[in-house]
Amino acid sequence: QSALTQPASVSGSPGQSITISCTGTTSDIESYNYVSWYQQHPGKAPKLMIYDVTNRPSGVPDRFSGSKSGNTASLTISGLQAEDEADYYCSSYTSSNTHCVFGGGTKLTVL
Amino acid sequence: EVQLVESGGGLVQPGGSLRLSCAASGFTLSYYSMTWVRHGPGKGLEWVSYISSSSTTIYYADSVKGRFTISRDNAKNSLHLQMNSLRDEDTAVYYCARDRIEYGDHALDYWGQGTLVTVSS
Repeated sequence: QSALTQPASVSGSPGQSITISCTGTTSDIESYNYVSWYQQHPGKAPKLMIYDVTNRPSGVPDRFSGSKSGNTASLTISGLQAEDEADYYCSSYTSSNTHCVFGGGTKLTVL
Repeated sequence: EVQLVESGGGLVQPGGSLRLSCAASGFTLSYYSMTWVRHGPGKGLEWVSYISSSSTTIYYADSVKGRFTISRDNAKNSLHLQMNSLRDEDTAVYYCARDRIEYGDHALDYWGQGTLVTVSS
């Protein structure tokens, strides 16, 4: 199955906002409100940041928000902080026989 | 406190086999689907396999179909991944994760710390 498409890297200065895009197809993002986002620091397990496009788990700062338009989902981080520097992955349910697909990941650098 | 602890990783030759386990605690395993995800060196996360709470629904990534088998023992609070015919490209850290899809959410809300599988001669 094909991975969802994410930019390889994004960067921003502390206090700024950034947006990471995640492009899929009619088999996944476009047809379902089942998009999640994960943060992964080096050597650590991924952490759920957003689920079902817009929902934030308890404990995740409201600086993190998600949205979707057509076949593209987005993760926005406002008020960037140094600890936000990490890899971010999107994921979607897919109607293919494989159930779930991840994006290739985006490295966020806080300048 | 929800905890997932993977074990069983190690060094194996191409064509060999390994069985990964994931011990669950702090929640009732039989209420949740479970998923395996791997992270290869220099690569992104890759979804590997899914099993529903009652084991009635199972999915595999195309890259492992026919070689890997997912299973669970709810009575023993454990999840397993039997990996056969291993290839170099299966080298990765393997994570088990709790999956909330049966509750209507696309969310892997708890993850283990991962276990490293290295396939090399």
